Amino acid sequence: SQELEQSPQSLIVQEGKNLTINCTSSKTLYGLYWYKQKYGEGLIFLMMLQKGGEEKSHEKITAKLDEKKQQSSLHITASQPSHAGIYLCGADGSGNTPLVFGKGTRLSVIA
Amino acid sequence: DTEVTQTPKHLVMGMTNKKSLKCEQHMGHRAMYWYKQKAKKPPELMFVYSYEKLSINESVPSRFSPECPNSSLLNLHLHALQPEDSALYLCASSQVYQLYNEKLFFGSGTQLSVL
Repeated sequence: SQELEQSPQSLIVQEGKNLTINCTSSKTLYGLYWYKQKYGEGLIFLMMLQKGGEEKSHEKITAKLDEKKQQSSLHITASQPSHAGIYLCGADGSGNTPLVFGKGTRLSVIA
Repeated sequence: DTEVTQTPKHLVMGMTNKKSLKCEQHMGHRAMYWYKQKAKKPPELMFVYSYEKLSINESVPSRFSPECPNSSLLNLHLHALQPEDSALYLCASSQVYQLYNEKLFFGSGTQLSVL
């Protein structure tokens, strides 16, 4: 079955600093998704990457997909307190299983 | 309207109670999902409905009973739950059910506590 490993598990950064979160898949990636979750709340869709080498940006968040490495990275530029939360990568599962998730990266942004 | 609405937001129930979780979307989506999320864990798929028919049941115990009365509504009926069933229950929807490249829209979840 598809497994996603995220690193780091948690991250504390000072406001204004840049950061990168990685997501590595155990199998070939057909679609890679990034979601953000506030504690005890639902998931907010950030971006979907479908092709190797694809890169998407939204405001200060950029995601890239390296299909050969079966890996995606999420980069936040000039972090703000509003970026704090849990970032989850998701990928299309194998067999009949739709979206599966990594364990998440907990981001804290301190002033 | 790009929202998936879940009610209630919080639910406390005893092990002998019967309760239901409700999920609603008005985006015209034909696929709806129930996920279960334990604290500090990723969401895990429970059920998938496609065109109001149950497509996937991830070996969920029968004390959880899903229902899709129409394309906009999804219920999860709960009966004789155990304390270990306490979790955040997330509903999601997508335009259709397909294995690849389908964006899911999530509700804000129901935080369930079983005493």
